[in-house]
Amino acid sequence: GENVEQHPSTLSVQEGDSAVIKCTYSDSASNYFPWYKQELGKRPQLIIDIRSNVGEKKDQRIAVTLNKTAKHFSLHITETQPEDSAVYFCAASVRGSTLGRLYFGRGTQLTVWP
Amino acid sequence: KAGVTQTPRYLIKTRGQQVTLSCSPISGHRSVSWYQQTPGQGLQFLFEYFSETQRNKGNFPGRFSGRQFSNSRSEMNVSTLELGDSALYLCASSLEDSSYEQYFGPGTRLTVT
Repeated sequence: GENVEQHPSTLSVQEGDSAVIKCTYSDSASNYFPWYKQELGKRPQLIIDIRSNVGEKKDQRIAVTLNKTAKHFSLHITETQPEDSAVYFCAASVRGSTLGRLYFGRGTQLTVWP
Repeated sequence: KAGVTQTPRYLIKTRGQQVTLSCSPISGHRSVSWYQQTPGQGLQFLFEYFSETQRNKGNFPGRFSGRQFSNSRSEMNVSTLELGDSALYLCASSLEDSSYEQYFGPGTRLTVT
């Protein structure tokens, strides 16, 4: 099955700085890459996703980039704020495939210092 | 639409007992996946139910089982509880199968003493 690796496991940034979280995947057939944010004591929430026919997607201060050749994708958060502090999970799947499912990375604890 | 709900939210059990957790997906969603979350271990996939059938299964022992009802509500059962089963159990629902966007419930915090 798919193997998703996520780095770094912890990330500390100053408020206003940018943060980048990187993930690699092993299955070249994967075509759907969502990112989830889990604040302390809360459920994981889908914050942005990208499909393999797109190289980049932005939503206000967050963006995701995908490099299919290298099989990696990244989450970029600009102008970080303390409320961005959370655990972020990347995931990958072959969307719509028989027995396909989301495979998650192990998470990145992002801390934004005021 | 109402989000994914899970009951109970907190549970304390003793080793050797069994437990049943419940998950109600978003209305219209057909797939329910279950995950175990422990500190530092991320989201460990347990299994997925789709249209009342187990569609996918992770690497957990047979003590972990589940089912899905015709209204898409799902239950998971853990028999012969061990201390290591203490975790947050999350379910997630998808409109189609679990290769699509998943929406998580708040989780059930299980403590085994």
